[in-house]
Amino acid sequence: DTEVTQTPKHLVMGMTNKKSLKCEQHMGHRAMYWYKQKAKKPPELMFVYSYEKLSINESVPSRFSPECPNSSLLNLHLHALQPEDSALYLCASSPGFNSPLHFGNGTRLTVT
Amino acid sequence: DAKTTQPPSMDCAEGRAANLPCNHSTISGNEYVYWYRQIHSQGPQYIIHGLKNNETNEMASLIITEDRKSSTLILPHATLRDTAVYYCIVRRLGGNQFYFGTGTSLTVIP
Repeated sequence: DTEVTQTPKHLVMGMTNKKSLKCEQHMGHRAMYWYKQKAKKPPELMFVYSYEKLSINESVPSRFSPECPNSSLLNLHLHALQPEDSALYLCASSPGFNSPLHFGNGTRLTVT
Repeated sequence: DAKTTQPPSMDCAEGRAANLPCNHSTISGNEYVYWYRQIHSQGPQYIIHGLKNNETNEMASLIITEDRKSSTLILPHATLRDTAVYYCIVRRLGGNQFYFGTGTSLTVIP
């Protein structure tokens, strides 16, 4: 079981669709992260939020749009994705930047 | 943040200690060593972290060399459920980045 909840667990979308991934935590953590993980590769950092403000964008294409509407919730809005964007998308949170990250179990995204 | 180097794969007999090495020769004085593992199709799981002293918790021990250029994660009695990819990560104190290296795929053999 994980205290970081990601929904949906699986998502299939076409290249013209718009969809959103959701991440929720109720541990009072103030830092939240999005990672992308391709098969047999390590997770790659995409975005970092600190106190609901975007802190890091690792030069991610604009077809990925993060949003942090409140301290418990992190969204990743997807639009006009490519098949190569198919991956496991992981969310994580931490109390601050001196603490371990807690990860969710991810959303498995397939772009057709 | 400093880069880490780990062997791509290791085997360990069930019940024996698993010793996973990590090289971080460019580590700075204000950088911590973190260890995570990822079991297939799950999110990474925190194991342990340390700065310069050896650390132990209910999951594992972390041994950091005196010069801090390398460390070893020790799983004292490996079980089949410890089969996973283990990541060693170096993170600056107060740093908002958290980058994964290539990791070590540990297989525990019955």
